Amino acid sequence: AQSVAQPEDQVNVAEGNPLTVKCTYSVSGNPYLFWYVQYPNRGLQFLLKYITGDNLVKGSYGFEAEFNKSQTSFHLKKPSALVSDSALYFCAVRFPLPGAGSYQLTFGKGTKLSVIP
Amino acid sequence: DADVTQTPRNRITKTGKRIMLECSQTKGHDRMYWYRQDPGLGLRLIYYSFDVKDINKGEISDGYSVSRQAQAKFSLSLESAIPNQTALYFCATSDSDLSYEQYFGPGTRLTVT
Repeated sequence: AQSVAQPEDQVNVAEGNPLTVKCTYSVSGNPYLFWYVQYPNRGLQFLLKYITGDNLVKGSYGFEAEFNKSQTSFHLKKPSALVSDSALYFCAVRFPLPGAGSYQLTFGKGTKLSVIP
Repeated sequence: DADVTQTPRNRITKTGKRIMLECSQTKGHDRMYWYRQDPGLGLRLIYYSFDVKDINKGEISDGYSVSRQAQAKFSLSLESAIPNQTALYFCATSDSDLSYEQYFGPGTRLTVT
């Protein structure tokens, strides 16, 4: 079965420390993976994606994500967390639409990141 | 101006009422989507449309209907609202299968009492 999972509902990190938000996936074929961020009272914003190429993907606001095929993971990382990074983070994977010959994005349940001053 | 707009931003309605949520986009994208977000459940796809004549059910379409009035407009209707439809609703757009990036509106917070 194809799925995407975020094992942590909440991650707390001190400002200035590195942060990691975890994501694992299960898909057929080559995975197309995404990270989105949702700030309070806002819609989701695209951060970065992995389709092919380098396993380390760089995105917006200093975030990066590491694709690990053997561990079926796509963890989001940042070397030094800011208080303004506090938000809800969603991992997503491309998922085939039944009978449509096309794809949708399926989202994980989200991880709330709190950066403590 | 925002690329994807949703109206209303907040709505409180009573059980049994019909309600329509509207979405407009200026990105020129063909593909539009409606999601609902519930705490602890993430985003779930309600309906999607690849062009004006193509509308498809998503994961949780029961109790909802949609209308694609134009390339830029995609409306979600609750024909007879019920309390478990209380949620945050998002509209999103994308241009094609090539990029897969979706662009989201600010959301509509719907409360059904």
